[in-house]
Amino acid sequence: ETGVTQSPTHLIKTRGQQVTLRCSSQSGHNTVSWYQQALGQGPQFIFQYYREEENGRGNFPPRFSGLQFPNYSSELNVNALELDDSALYLCASSLVDRHQETQYFGPGTRLLVL
Amino acid sequence: TQLLEQSPQFLSIQEGENLTVYCNSSSVFSSLQWYRQEPGEGPVLLVTVVTGGEVKKLKRLTFQFGDARKDSSLHITAAQPGDTGLYLCAGVSGGYNKLIFGAGTRLAVHP
Repeated sequence: ETGVTQSPTHLIKTRGQQVTLRCSSQSGHNTVSWYQQALGQGPQFIFQYYREEENGRGNFPPRFSGLQFPNYSSELNVNALELDDSALYLCASSLVDRHQETQYFGPGTRLLVL
Repeated sequence: TQLLEQSPQFLSIQEGENLTVYCNSSSVFSSLQWYRQEPGEGPVLLVTVVTGGEVKKLKRLTFQFGDARKDSSLHITAAQPGDTGLYLCAGVSGGYNKLIFGAGTRLAVHP
């Protein structure tokens, strides 16, 4: 139990649609990172938010966007869904004020795009 | 591009056997982490190694960081069915601690 929750647990969308995934971080954690984990692969870094600002981005197109809110929640938005967007989406929260802070992962949202 | 390669991809063993999982890269990382992920859950951190040559033990699990901080290994002694899962290594990269994951080793330990 990491104290990080995600919703929904599963989601089915069709190609071209838009989706919003939600994450609730551990209380006090000022940083949230989002990862995409395709079947049989390790998680790939999408982006990170620190104190409500994007703090770094992986190799994902602009149709992947995010928001972080003051109440330790965050969103991942994906526009114009493609079949290859089918994956497990993980958020991870951490407190970036210490050396080697630990990222705590949520259970993920499994997205299927048809 | 920083990449981490894990081997083997799959491992199926009997309870009581020993095993070693490898994580290799051509890049240097500030630290390297090992996670275990079970179906329907997110990865859970097992250990972080920081110093080249460092060895850490967690009960029956032994983690080693290579001298050049480019590779790592995980050794499990007397594996148990509860060790079954996906083992991921992740290099910590960049000023904002981005994690670069390997593809994982899927371990199945049979009673």
